[in-house]
Amino acid sequence: SQELEQSPQSLIVQEGKNLTINCTSSKTLYGLYWYKQKYGEGLIFLMMLQKGGEEKSHEKITAKLDEKKQQSSLHITASQPSHAGIYLCGAAHIPGTYKYIFGTGTRLKVLA
Amino acid sequence: DAGVIQSPRHEVTEMGQEVTLRCKPISGHNSLFWYRQTMMRGLELLIYFNNNVPIDDSGMPEDRFSAKMPNASFSTLKIQPSEPRDSAVYFCASSPPGTYNSPLHFGNGTRLTVT
Repeated sequence: SQELEQSPQSLIVQEGKNLTINCTSSKTLYGLYWYKQKYGEGLIFLMMLQKGGEEKSHEKITAKLDEKKQQSSLHITASQPSHAGIYLCGAAHIPGTYKYIFGTGTRLKVLA
Repeated sequence: DAGVIQSPRHEVTEMGQEVTLRCKPISGHNSLFWYRQTMMRGLELLIYFNNNVPIDDSGMPEDRFSAKMPNASFSTLKIQPSEPRDSAVYFCASSPPGTYNSPLHFGNGTRLTVT
């Protein structure tokens, strides 16, 4: 079973629409990371959340961490075709180590 | 900053052949990670090094896989002999010294196809 579950697995939205991607952990989180991947390329770091209740924004992307629920959400406002790609959450479940794991990813397509 | 550099970008080989994937981390980074990505299993951590020393190789699938980091600027992942089920995209990533919370910087991956 996956230790980091993402939902939905795929998403198709019309340009301009808002959307939310969720990442739920089965274990305690010690830092939560969001990455974006375009087909055929590596992962690009978006944001890191460390404390419960923390919220960060970059351009039109906002991420929040609910430590108690062991959950994070990524929200995109007024989506654009450039937002298309695969979004992955990553986390360390073992403090003091570099043993990061990743969710299965959410494939986002934005229709122009 | 050149980023993490992986080679080759694509590798097609026949079952039973030896495959070597290469990675050059970002200069100054002291942690290096090898991941494998497939549709079925997503992104899996194979092994990671800290200061050139393998710290955790529990993700290495079996003895056919081996990884080395002879110096701070180079690492290899070798599969011998290769099998069709090894077909995947292999990513190398590095992170800077300091804290365990530093984000990983990924290369563009090597797409391996074993026929």
